[in-house]
Amino acid sequence: AQSVSQHNHHVILSEAASLELGCNYSYGGTVNLFWYVQYPGQHLQLLLKYFSGDPLVKGIKGFEAEFIKSKFSFNLRKPSVQWSDTAEYFCAVNGGQAGTALIFGKGTTLSVSS
Amino acid sequence: GAVVSQHPSRVICKSGTSVKIECRSLDFQATTMFWYRQFPKQSLMLMATSNEGSKATYEQGVEKDKFLINHASLTLSTLTVTSAHPEDSSFYICSATGTHYNEQFFGPGTRLTVL
Repeated sequence: AQSVSQHNHHVILSEAASLELGCNYSYGGTVNLFWYVQYPGQHLQLLLKYFSGDPLVKGIKGFEAEFIKSKFSFNLRKPSVQWSDTAEYFCAVNGGQAGTALIFGKGTTLSVSS
Repeated sequence: GAVVSQHPSRVICKSGTSVKIECRSLDFQATTMFWYRQFPKQSLMLMATSNEGSKATYEQGVEKDKFLINHASLTLSTLTVTSAHPEDSSFYICSATGTHYNEQFFGPGTRLTVL
């Protein structure tokens, strides 16, 4: 069955610490991979996406993610977090065809203390 | 990027009434729209997929007679929660994609509270 697994439910960091959030997926065939962020009280925003090509993808706000096909993983990283990064982070996957629904992971809550 | 709007942003209704939520793509033609439901502190669960001019495809466990979806034009999809009950209280989010896109664009969501 198609699924997305996010290993960390709640991550607590101090400002300037490095961040890595795990994401593994189970999906047959070509995949598109996404990380979304949801700030408190706000709607989903796309952080970054991978369709093909360079497996290291850079997104907004200093985030990046690496697609490792052999491990079915798409981990999100940021070298130095800020208090403003406090939010809910969702990993999602869909098939390579346009118009395919997204399957979301359960999300990871990131709390950054100043 | 492409913009998707939802209306209303919040709605409070009495148990037994019906509520309609609109999802609009403002600057592109949305050939496919998706409706998700998000419970507090939880992930988004896909409810249904709708293609313009076709009947919606519902996910397992989603009652099609309770959650009526209409996608009559390339810029508008509606979700009607019929005979709403308190357990239907949730955050409903739509997303849309078009022919030239490989990603979905999300609306801001609608907070439904059923008393």
